[in-house]
Amino acid sequence: QSALTQPASVSGSPGQSITISCTGTSSDVGRYTLVSWYQQHPGKAPKLIIFEVSKRPSGVSNRFSGSKSGNTASLTISGLQAEDEADYYCCSYASSTSPVVFGGGTKLTVL
Amino acid sequence: QVQLQESGPGLVKPSETLSVTCAVSGDSISSYYWSWIRQPPGKGLEWIGSLYYSGSTNYNPSLKSRVTISGDTSKNQFSLRLSSVTSADTAVYYCVRETAWSYLDYWGQGALVTVSS
Repeated sequence: QSALTQPASVSGSPGQSITISCTGTSSDVGRYTLVSWYQQHPGKAPKLIIFEVSKRPSGVSNRFSGSKSGNTASLTISGLQAEDEADYYCCSYASSTSPVVFGGGTKLTVL
Repeated sequence: QVQLQESGPGLVKPSETLSVTCAVSGDSISSYYWSWIRQPPGKGLEWIGSLYYSGSTNYNPSLKSRVTISGDTSKNQFSLRLSSVTSADTAVYYCVRETAWSYLDYWGQGALVTVSS
């Protein structure tokens, strides 16, 4: 069982927007602004797309945005494209002994 | 550009020790944190542990008794050893650069390690 809870799957049509939630507790997501998101295509390594809740690394499309409210972080992808079909993982700092905790992952299907 | 490349045997026998090495280029392992993440086939990501620039280490409590992460600054590489492996340790093992803010900005391509007799 993962430390953070994500929906197993979400779907959307090209051009639409979707949001993936990531629910933790007051000890991890709720306590720190250290939430990151990763995109993973089949057979590939994960790629950082959001860090510190809402910041985008250089080169990542501005169609990807992140936010947080209470114990839940969210990743929103706007203007869905076929290439966005992938698995998405959230991650949060939890403590000095568990600095990296992941969600179980969400499979995004672009219809 | 930071690049990481894992290497190691693809097959390990049950009860033996898994060993994977990560060669780093474009940065020094004497800076930042350097971590191992694994992903069993068809499953999610799991943090195994980290090597800090100070040389200290931090391990996932669930694996702590079996894990050792070490670094070789002369070769600019770091390594993972996982002892007493079982089939549950079959996974793709990724080496990763971790920032002080706990995000993972550079990943290796991953090394599949299968535990089987």
